[in-house]
Amino acid sequence: KAGVTQTPRYLIKTRGQQVTLSCSPISGHRSVSWYQQTPGQGLQFLFEYFSETQRNKGNFPGRFSGRQFSNSRSEMNVSTLELGDSALYLCASGGQGSDEQYFGPGTRLTVT
Amino acid sequence: GENVEQHPSTLSVQEGDSAVIKCTYSDSASNYFPWYKQELGKGPQLIIDIRSNVGEKKDQRIAVTLNKTAKHFSLHITETQPEDSAVYFCAPGHGSGNTGKLIFGQGTTLQVKP
Repeated sequence: KAGVTQTPRYLIKTRGQQVTLSCSPISGHRSVSWYQQTPGQGLQFLFEYFSETQRNKGNFPGRFSGRQFSNSRSEMNVSTLELGDSALYLCASGGQGSDEQYFGPGTRLTVT
Repeated sequence: GENVEQHPSTLSVQEGDSAVIKCTYSDSASNYFPWYKQELGKGPQLIIDIRSNVGEKKDQRIAVTLNKTAKHFSLHITETQPEDSAVYFCAPGHGSGNTGKLIFGQGTTLQVKP
């Protein structure tokens, strides 16, 4: 079974731009969660989608948004990028009724 | 919300020694206690978990112990090997199977010296 895949793996953007990151969950998983990882704040939950609906949301500004498609693939978007948005963005998928989260390798976003 | 603290933040041991990482949480309703391992360039991976109706769980060289009264649980690694070098995270939660939301501790960087 293929693992969670994330594209792109690396991204460099300029302040003020917007960015879209993509995540393909493990086949059969309908839950996709997104996390931001930084040295200062650690691993922080952004949001979770289940069957195309946002099921949980963390404490991030509205510039961070996401969506999920009918095939469970998910995208997250960050608008009006700030230097502080530089981070590793991880997505995780989970099977129904399971607490285990399977993480992808992440997308390293650098904002200059 | 849940407050999660991990100690120590860094840990250096000689190969073959044991390592213990402690996680303290605030939400008394937490009933699911996992540990994740993150290697360089990879996402976190679940290595062991325990539920509140069990006090200890062991899987080969790793074990997790839970003290629900004191609201802390610990990861124990015995006979450490260089490949155990990584960052370890705890993520206590409600374990309902209906949420992908994890609240992680700050992480513990374990270095195993050959």
